[in-house]
Amino acid sequence: ETGVTQTPRHLVMGMTNKKSLKCEQHLGHNAMYWYKQSAKKPLELMFVYSLEERVENNSVPSRFSPECPNSSHLFLHLHTLQPEDSALYLCASSQELSPKGFTGELFFGEGSRLTVL
Amino acid sequence: AQRVTQPEKLLSVFKGAPVELKCNYSYSGSPELFWYVQYSRQRLQLLLRHISRESIKGFTADLNKGETSFHLKKPFAQEEDSAMYYCALSDDSNYQLIWGAGTKLIIKP
Repeated sequence: ETGVTQTPRHLVMGMTNKKSLKCEQHLGHNAMYWYKQSAKKPLELMFVYSLEERVENNSVPSRFSPECPNSSHLFLHLHTLQPEDSALYLCASSQELSPKGFTGELFFGEGSRLTVL
Repeated sequence: AQRVTQPEKLLSVFKGAPVELKCNYSYSGSPELFWYVQYSRQRLQLLLRHISRESIKGFTADLNKGETSFHLKKPFAQEEDSAMYYCALSDDSNYQLIWGAGTKLIIKP
């Protein structure tokens, strides 16, 4: 399979549950991202990883915990979420995060639609 | 502060009419601007970047540094152009994109 794949596509969870979102990229990219997409709001960058090291954490609550075991996989672990966390969570990858390699082109997955009850 | 503004949440035009999706930015450095598109039930994808100076699917966008704008234009809209369009700016200090809120384009038959 090519591109960026996210699972599950839909997730419904209670506020006390623990779940994880998974992202896999088959593009040979070195950078991966988690974004939150809420209705009528700009895309919110949550986490950025470059070569498996976290390089950005935009003041995201600790109930969201990322994990990047290798350059092809990215997880977002969820626990004790709030209803306002309901959104579409997008994973993306890019070739590099460097002056030489960052082209501004991100490759997105189809997203995981999260509903917190 | 660095910012991308798309003033129209929704734009509706008839098929065959010209389309202009507005994007204004605020950035202290030398900007690189992009347009991304998300068709219904499809993933967000790059449409065009100003540095390429290319036309994609009939769309063009010119960077106007004087007006700090990067409007997306197409002379004759087609129904398949209906989608969400996002303008984004590349922050060359940390190699990330700053996004506008998006404009939903509806092309009426």
